[in-house]
Amino acid sequence: IAGITQAPTSQILAAGRRMTLRCTQDMRHNAMYWYRQDLGLGLRLIHYSNTAGTTGKGEVPDGYSVSRANTDDFPLTLASAVPSQTSVYFCASSDLPPHNEQFFGPGTRLTVL
Amino acid sequence: ELKVEQNPLFLSMQEGKNYTIYCNYSTTSDRLYWYRQDPGKSLESLFVLLSNGAVKQEGRLMASLDTKARLSTLHITAAVHDLSATYFCAGTGTGTASKLTFGTGTRLQVTL
Repeated sequence: IAGITQAPTSQILAAGRRMTLRCTQDMRHNAMYWYRQDLGLGLRLIHYSNTAGTTGKGEVPDGYSVSRANTDDFPLTLASAVPSQTSVYFCASSDLPPHNEQFFGPGTRLTVL
Repeated sequence: ELKVEQNPLFLSMQEGKNYTIYCNYSTTSDRLYWYRQDPGKSLESLFVLLSNGAVKQEGRLMASLDTKARLSTLHITAAVHDLSATYFCAGTGTGTASKLTFGTGTRLQVTL
């Protein structure tokens, strides 16, 4: 089934640990995105990539890094996790504009203690 | 910087009733999206509105866009319990068409 997969589904992490959230899409979309969803704040963009080899900062990039080595994969790394990064993380992908309807993965629920 | 506001934040309505969710945005947006999210689930795309006056309908949901007023609406007709979910609107701004700015969502609860 075509779509976006994320791993892990959930994770509990000690503060200060390094963590990589994985995202893979098989729709051959050029653009990919990482969002975090927090109660009362909706979804906020962390980082995005319009095409393989390029990345950009979103609204809340601090404490996160991304890479885009190929079209399909867009991992999100927390170099040293802090409790404020406890959230649900969604990966999304889209074609480039004008047909850039975004499709979302199932999410990763991350708890940092 | 684009800001998107939705109201109401929470809506409880009886089955069979009609209601409208409003989405205001602060600056010009090339396009406007509506998504649905069920509890504990991901986001599902409902509508993409590309131009002023655009209207799209799917079942009991109809979305419209007024770019001059910077307003999009999601109208629910004769609500049924299955429509209970959180609904988000999102805009792209201009020149940043690959990035979405989301509203905080409207949690809809349809009661019997």
